[in-house]
Amino acid sequence: DAGITQSPRHKVTETGTPVTLRCHQTENHRYMYWYRQDPGHGLRLIHYSYGVKDTDKGEVSDGYSVSRSKTEDFLLTLESATSSQTSVYFCAISDPRGGYTFGSGTRLTVV
Amino acid sequence: AQTVTQSQPEMSVQEAETVTLSCTYDTSESDYYLFWYKQPPSRQMILVIRQEAYKQQNATENRFSVNFQKAAKSFSLKISDSQLGDAAMYFCAYRENYGGATNKLIFGTGTLLAVQP
Repeated sequence: DAGITQSPRHKVTETGTPVTLRCHQTENHRYMYWYRQDPGHGLRLIHYSYGVKDTDKGEVSDGYSVSRSKTEDFLLTLESATSSQTSVYFCAISDPRGGYTFGSGTRLTVV
Repeated sequence: AQTVTQSQPEMSVQEAETVTLSCTYDTSESDYYLFWYKQPPSRQMILVIRQEAYKQQNATENRFSVNFQKAAKSFSLKISDSQLGDAAMYFCAYRENYGGATNKLIFGTGTLLAVQP
């Protein structure tokens, strides 16, 4: 969607390797979020940020870390990828009407 | 904790017909937002419709409308004159209206809608 981009769009990685996913926004929004989507679970919150260097955990944060050194960038790192982290990852920003605007997602496969 | 339940994993509708997707939620709060998001095969998450809990009038957006029953904690989505392009996964979502990042969106598990020509 306009104003928020994720990279890469697809990634295959090996078990045990670190992986970083990037979210970039041009809307200057304070709040950013990382979700994962899995069949039968909908979307679940991993981490969120409420400003530069201000982050907190969501409901499925184990095995993940985040960083936000600039307003426009929010990075999600899988410290040591496992097969259970195979998923589709979405970044989102809050919009003025109370909902979220989502990036196009990253499909991550851990083999 | 707040929860959102979509009890229909899959639904099917004939083109030009009407279909209703169900959603219930659990909360002790009185001020919140409810949303329906559409996710087509492209994977993009698209906001379909939004309802503020303090508004009694049901939201409508063209062929999409909701039946918001606050006391029953029910928020169903009606799609009228279904089109092939409506085929997608639909997610119901809830968010408290306190403002700030801690008011995360809580999602249901989704309903996969097929539209038959």
